[in-house]
Amino acid sequence: DADVTQTPRNRITKTGKRIMLECSQTKGHDRMYWYRQDPGLGLRLIYYSFDVKDINKGEISDGYSVSRQAQAKFSLSLESAIPNQTALYFCATSGARILNEQFFGPGTRLTVL
Amino acid sequence: AQKVTQAQTEISVVEKEDVTLDCVYETRDTTYYLFWYKQPPSGELVFLIRRNSFDEQNEISGRYSWNFQKSTSSFNFTITASQVVDSAVYFCALSEALSNTDKLIFGTGTRLQVFP
Repeated sequence: DADVTQTPRNRITKTGKRIMLECSQTKGHDRMYWYRQDPGLGLRLIYYSFDVKDINKGEISDGYSVSRQAQAKFSLSLESAIPNQTALYFCATSGARILNEQFFGPGTRLTVL
Repeated sequence: AQKVTQAQTEISVVEKEDVTLDCVYETRDTTYYLFWYKQPPSGELVFLIRRNSFDEQNEISGRYSWNFQKSTSSFNFTITASQVVDSAVYFCALSEALSNTDKLIFGTGTRLQVFP
């Protein structure tokens, strides 16, 4: 079984709808991250969390919110989806402050019409 | 400011050719980590290597090799005798040890196409 899972893997929605992307991990890591990938732009950080009570904004947090329900779960919400939020979304985890290799989920492809 | 530049947007080679993917980074930290990830057409991100700023020793893993040069702030990736299965987008990334986050700063990626 995969260590980092994301649901759904693909989603098509309409402008104005609320969408939640979920991430679960079995690696026992404290740190979790949400990135989005746009063609030609690489990955950019949306939010990150170092433990259940810690939530931090990344460089492109506007229009998004997150919830860290448990150490193993980190959800990303789009309160009112808009077309320019169409992207590939990745969840990642890391377990240590030093040598911080991040382990990525398989990605969620979101299309907002 | 931290930044990762992958100037090569797309590279096409014929199978068995060697190919080098360039990565140039900018950081003010003296302690940092550099990464390469592979993203095949299926979309997942595959970790390839991590290198810390104090270890400039080049590394070879099978057909893959990495050349880290602090003097030129570069961390280039070479695939020897390329294969069709190497076709993917490759990302270079930077993480600064002294930042408040462990976030990865990604380059924009290089799309490698290997033709049979």
